[in-house]
Amino acid sequence: SQKIEQNSEALNIQEGKTATLTCNYTNYSPAYLQWYRQDPGRGPVFLLLIRENEKEKRKERLKVTFDTTLKQSLFHITASQPADSATYLCAPSDNYGQNFVFGPGTRLSVLP
Amino acid sequence: DADVTQTPRNRITKTGKRIMLECSQTKGHDRMYWYRQDPGLGLRLIYYSFDVKDINKGEISDGYSVSRQAQAKFSLSLESAIPNQTALYFCATSDRAGPGWTDTQYFGPGTRLTVL
Repeated sequence: SQKIEQNSEALNIQEGKTATLTCNYTNYSPAYLQWYRQDPGRGPVFLLLIRENEKEKRKERLKVTFDTTLKQSLFHITASQPADSATYLCAPSDNYGQNFVFGPGTRLSVLP
Repeated sequence: DADVTQTPRNRITKTGKRIMLECSQTKGHDRMYWYRQDPGLGLRLIYYSFDVKDINKGEISDGYSVSRQAQAKFSLSLESAIPNQTALYFCATSDRAGPGWTDTQYFGPGTRLTVL
């Protein structure tokens, strides 16, 4: 069956450092993969999308990579700030939007 | 105004009661979804609808039903609520998918439901 794993349930880092979150998937061949941010008690918010033919995507301090051989996506936040503290979810999908599965999320805490 | 709204935002009810959670969107999207979120279990899909005449079961549809009253409205009902349906419920929308399109989802603020 399809499975999505995110590296750890919680990740603590110091302000200013780079946070790296991992998303691994099995029994999937996604055409693209999305990352969302979720704050406590609120709905997830879309951040970035990367397609299978893209190695890397950037948006401001965010960077996403996608390795279809390793079946893995890495999500980086550079120069992290306490305001980046949230849970981050990955979601692989095919071209027809038939996969509605989200990873369990990694709760990131950026310590001042 | 928010693009995806949910009512009520909080609800406490008793076992056996029927409740309805409502979702409205102004994004003009065809697709709508209902998820529940439990600590440690992440988001799980309950039902989804690709248009007004299309309703599909998700991973955990038992004990739930839905109604797509219009393109903009998608309601979730618990016919006879039970305590293990206590959770945070989210509605989401996305535009149609296909080559070149993506199913990026836009979530509502959530409904916190407690069943005693």
